[in-house]
Amino acid sequence: LAKTTQPISMDSYEGQEVNITCSHNNIATNDYITWYQQFPSQGPRFIIQGYKTKVTNEVASLFIPADRKSSTLSLPRVSLSDTAVYYCLVGTTGTASKLTFGTGTRLQVTL
Amino acid sequence: DAGITQSPRHKVTETGTPVTLRCHQTENHRYMYWYRQDPGHGLRLIHYSYGVKDTDKGEVSDGYSVSRSKTEDFLLTLESATSSQTSVYFCAISESISNEQFFGPGTRLTVL
Repeated sequence: LAKTTQPISMDSYEGQEVNITCSHNNIATNDYITWYQQFPSQGPRFIIQGYKTKVTNEVASLFIPADRKSSTLSLPRVSLSDTAVYYCLVGTTGTASKLTFGTGTRLQVTL
Repeated sequence: DAGITQSPRHKVTETGTPVTLRCHQTENHRYMYWYRQDPGHGLRLIHYSYGVKDTDKGEVSDGYSVSRSKTEDFLLTLESATSSQTSVYFCAISESISNEQFFGPGTRLTVL
């Protein structure tokens, strides 16, 4: 299993850029990285997915270095509504039995 | 939101009793998953299904069984509930193994 490690919590002010890093030292060649956002009493919601280099969508960017042992979720100009728990997931295209979620990073955004 | 529902949403039961949780989807997605979420552990995969009658174990499958007799339904059964199975259970669906997963609203299970 590709174990993942994330910071337990982070604090930010509204309008700042936030970068959350996930370490996955044992990532395998066919593994991909996905990030999810979760609000209290709700199921996680997809943010972004990538395999290597950089991926950007309308809400975030995902940076993956060449060795792929870590990945960084970048949230530009966060707002109060971005306060949530963020999870990275490492999965393989071979089987879902090795899906591994990180323990999550609790992001608190304040004014 | 993806058409995925879970029932019941809340359940309190006693140790030793059987419990079945239901996940229902209207998206016709091939993959369905059951996770449990506990403080300090994040989300952990219990079982998943890759088609009707096709299931496989996840990281924490002991004490749980699943069944999928129809594309739209994925059942999670605790044959004899224990207090350690008190948790929030999430069902998820995806079109393929590497596509994004859509999660249900969760079921809060308390085993006394």
